[in-house]
Amino acid sequence: QQQVKQSPQSLIVQKGGISIINCAYENTAFDYFPWYQQFPGKGPALLIAIRPDVSEKKEGRFTISFNKSAKQFSLHIMDSQPGDSATYFCAASLTNYNAGGTSYGKLTFGQGTILTVHP
Amino acid sequence: NAGVTQTPKFRVLKTGQSMTLLCAQDMNHEYMYWYRQDPGMGLRLIHYSVGEGTTAKGEVPDGYNVSRLKKQNFLLGLESAAPSQTSVYFCASSYEGVYWHSPLHFGNGTRLTVT
Repeated sequence: QQQVKQSPQSLIVQKGGISIINCAYENTAFDYFPWYQQFPGKGPALLIAIRPDVSEKKEGRFTISFNKSAKQFSLHIMDSQPGDSATYFCAASLTNYNAGGTSYGKLTFGQGTILTVHP
Repeated sequence: NAGVTQTPKFRVLKTGQSMTLLCAQDMNHEYMYWYRQDPGMGLRLIHYSVGEGTTAKGEVPDGYNVSRLKKQNFLLGLESAAPSQTSVYFCASSYEGVYWHSPLHFGNGTRLTVT
C-alpha cells in the first residue's frame, strides 16, 4: 500500500518536445505528491508538488496532472531543453491527524526516470 | 548556508570492513534521513530521526546503524560491509515531517563501493 510506481525508466526527447513521466500509487491516504529533480553528482531537489484536491499545478514549463480516481499523477515538461536532462523522481507521503496532534509523513519515492533531451 | 553536507564523497571498502558516513545540516531541522539510491530502485529509506537522540527504522534498515547525538549531525554506520551495500547514499533533512512547509533537503551523496 505504500508503493509508488513510476514509468518510464528512461525517456529520450528532442529539444522543444514534451516530456511526460507517469506515477501510480496505491494508498488513497497519501496527501502530498512532490516531484524531485536530480542532476548527475548531486542530490535530488524539490521541483514541484501537488495535493490531491487539485487536478493540475503549473510552474513555468513544468506541470503536474493529478487523477485522484485513477490514483495516478504525471509530470509534463513543455518545450523540453537539454538543461532539463536529469533524473526525475515522483514521491508521496501522508499526514496523520490524531488527538496528539498532526504528524507529517515520510516520503515514498518512485523508481526514477532518466530524461535525456537531445539538442 | 551549506545546507546538508555529507562526508566522504567516495569510499571503497572490502567485504567485512566497517565505516561511518557523516551528515551535517545547518538549517536547524528536526528530522534527518538516510536513503540509498540504486538503479531502477529509486530512493529507499534506511533510517531516520525525528529529533536529537531519536532514531527509527525505514524501509531497508538491515546491515546499518545510525546515531543522532547532536541535532545537526546524523551518522550512518556499516558494521560489516557487504557487496549488496554498494550504492549511493543520500542524507536529507526537513523542518519536521515532509509536507508543503517542510520539504526534503538532500546532500550530494556518498558513492560507496564494496568489493
